[in-house]
Amino acid sequence: GESVGLHLPTLSVQEGDNSIINCAYSNSASDYFIWYKQESGKGPQFIIDIRSNMDKRQGQRVTVLLNKTVKHLSLQIAATQPGDSAVYFCAENTDSWGKLQFGAGTQVVVTP
Amino acid sequence: DGGITQSPKYLFRKEGQNVTLSCEQNLNHDAMYWYRQDPGQGLRLIYYSQIVNDFQKGDIAEGYSVSREKKESFPLTVTSAQKNPTAFYLCASSMAGGPAYIQYFGAGTRLSVL
Repeated sequence: GESVGLHLPTLSVQEGDNSIINCAYSNSASDYFIWYKQESGKGPQFIIDIRSNMDKRQGQRVTVLLNKTVKHLSLQIAATQPGDSAVYFCAENTDSWGKLQFGAGTQVVVTP
Repeated sequence: DGGITQSPKYLFRKEGQNVTLSCEQNLNHDAMYWYRQDPGQGLRLIYYSQIVNDFQKGDIAEGYSVSREKKESFPLTVTSAQKNPTAFYLCASSMAGGPAYIQYFGAGTRLSVL
């Protein structure tokens, strides 16, 4: 079935470097995407979202890029900090009421 | 503080027992959701509710039941029919049930079987 997936299960990043987390989606009808951050033992925390009529959206230290041609979503974190260590999920809206389909997540490990 | 409160944080279930997980929100959101998360995996939707006294099955509703008698509350019961209940359960809410409404999550309840 159609689903959201991730290219890399674990991403190791040196403190201060930029991180790029990738996500592939297969539902061409999806029109809304969200990135969440989940720290160990906690609930997911909203980071940033993007609608399908946009290619790029920026937040504080984060940027989400959407390439509808190849059905690819990415989250860029600038100047990665130890507090950025977490699992990052992308999610896509798959129907009219707002149901979200989540990917499996990428573990980001920030090293000193 | 506005937010979503899940309780208890940890819960243990005995064989054949039903247990209920609490979820309360004071965000005045119409829509609420229950997800299950297994280790190393993403979230899977159990049930959702777009409005009081109405709810719909998600992808993995078997062995679970919910009620939505009040706007602020959406309790989840894990019944004895759920043979593999050990997981991290997450409740979420959003302003409405349509697309592009951000879902905000509680801190979760970790359920284990004794």
